[in-house]
Amino acid sequence: AQSVTQLDSQVPVFEEAPVELRCNYSSSVSVYLFWYVQYPNQGLQLLLKYLSGSTLVKGINGFEAEFNKSQTSFHLRKPSVHISDTAEYFCAVKGQAGTALIFGKGTTLSVSS
Amino acid sequence: GAVVSQHPSWVICKSGTSVKIECRSLDFQATTMFWYRQFPKQSLMLMATSNEGSKATYEQGVEKDKFLINHASLTLSTLTVTSAHPEDSSFYICSARDLQGGGDEQYFGPGTRLTVT
Repeated sequence: AQSVTQLDSQVPVFEEAPVELRCNYSSSVSVYLFWYVQYPNQGLQLLLKYLSGSTLVKGINGFEAEFNKSQTSFHLRKPSVHISDTAEYFCAVKGQAGTALIFGKGTTLSVSS
Repeated sequence: GAVVSQHPSWVICKSGTSVKIECRSLDFQATTMFWYRQFPKQSLMLMATSNEGSKATYEQGVEKDKFLINHASLTLSTLTVTSAHPEDSSFYICSARDLQGGGDEQYFGPGTRLTVT
């Protein structure tokens, strides 16, 4: 079975600072990995995904993530955050094709000026 | 891009009544849809997998008689919360699986906030 652990429940940062949101996964099979963002009272928006190929994945809004198989990690990074990046971020994993996404507990990113 | 809608976006109902939530794939056919539940400031928990024309598969701990799922067409799945109680108040999110073009994408609806009084 697949599972995801988001190591930080809350990450406060100042505007224009870099940020890293950490995600580790466990799976006995090949995985597909995802990062989603959720703004208050809204649904999920896909930031980026890793299916195969290059381990560095670039997404929307300046975010990127690196798949590290040896560390079983898929950390999300942004070199310079904005106030508007304040939101809840979810890491998710999917094992086999057709199965549902399994989500981590989420990380609240709070960007202040 | 593929769009999934949910209706209603929010609903308030009295304890003991039933509420139906619709999930539609607007521009693609979805043989599989998933229903998630999200409590405030928590993660999404998978409730069930809905397959068109067959019975839904429920996750452990989810009461199938309380959360009725129907997937009667390739573009519509419904979740009915029967005899709702305040503890059923939550944010319900569906997603639909899109297999167009040989891909396998999962698109999420905007969610339905249910408040049971």
